[in-house]
Amino acid sequence: SQQGEEDPQALSIQEGENATMNCSYKTSINNLQWYRQNSGRGLVHLILIRSNEREKHSGRLRVTLDTSKKSSSLLITASRAADTASYFCARVYNQGGKLIFGQGTELSVKP
Amino acid sequence: GAVVSQHPSWVICKSGTSVKIECRSLDFQATTMFWYRQFPKQSLMLMATSNEGSKATYEQGVEKDKFLINHASLTLSTLTVTSAHPEDSSFYICSARVMRLAGPRGETQYFGPGTRLLVL
Repeated sequence: SQQGEEDPQALSIQEGENATMNCSYKTSINNLQWYRQNSGRGLVHLILIRSNEREKHSGRLRVTLDTSKKSSSLLITASRAADTASYFCARVYNQGGKLIFGQGTELSVKP
Repeated sequence: GAVVSQHPSWVICKSGTSVKIECRSLDFQATTMFWYRQFPKQSLMLMATSNEGSKATYEQGVEKDKFLINHASLTLSTLTVTSAHPEDSSFYICSARVMRLAGPRGETQYFGPGTRLLVL
């Protein structure tokens, strides 16, 4: 399968805690993207990190990329109940821009 | 900006009927639109890539004659599920890339809210 692996598949934490989700992929990338999906809804783009970048921040989100290990992580700090959603990493498959999604992590933040 | 809409948001139909789903980029022109299918608790699986003015490119295992894609303009792509059967029940999501835009925005896909199809 071309899909990447994500772990954990499900994560349940209390509000205020940090949540870390990991993504691994098999082939080289130009960039890796993280998306969020609320239940039964479309996807929202969170962060794009390029292959020559190691870390990127956006508000409470921090993404790291280790191209030597072909892995990325998404950290959500000081989580809120509203962060409850599924989170997917995705890489561009070819010049045509096709995205290949990981299996996703289902995050539940309990108030 | 970069809003993508889908219509309808949900549809219930009888087995054997055809269902058309529209995907529109509301405030930008989309070079390319993509159609995904998502089953419950699973990831998105790319079905096809839709380019304006040309034939869609289907992923391996996706039946071209069953899932008809028409990309008539730079802001509209349609997916028609022909002769739908219960196993076609799924969540269908489209996305669009911003046309001729360099940098991260040009590489980002903007997703519609999805269409839930239930075939009885």
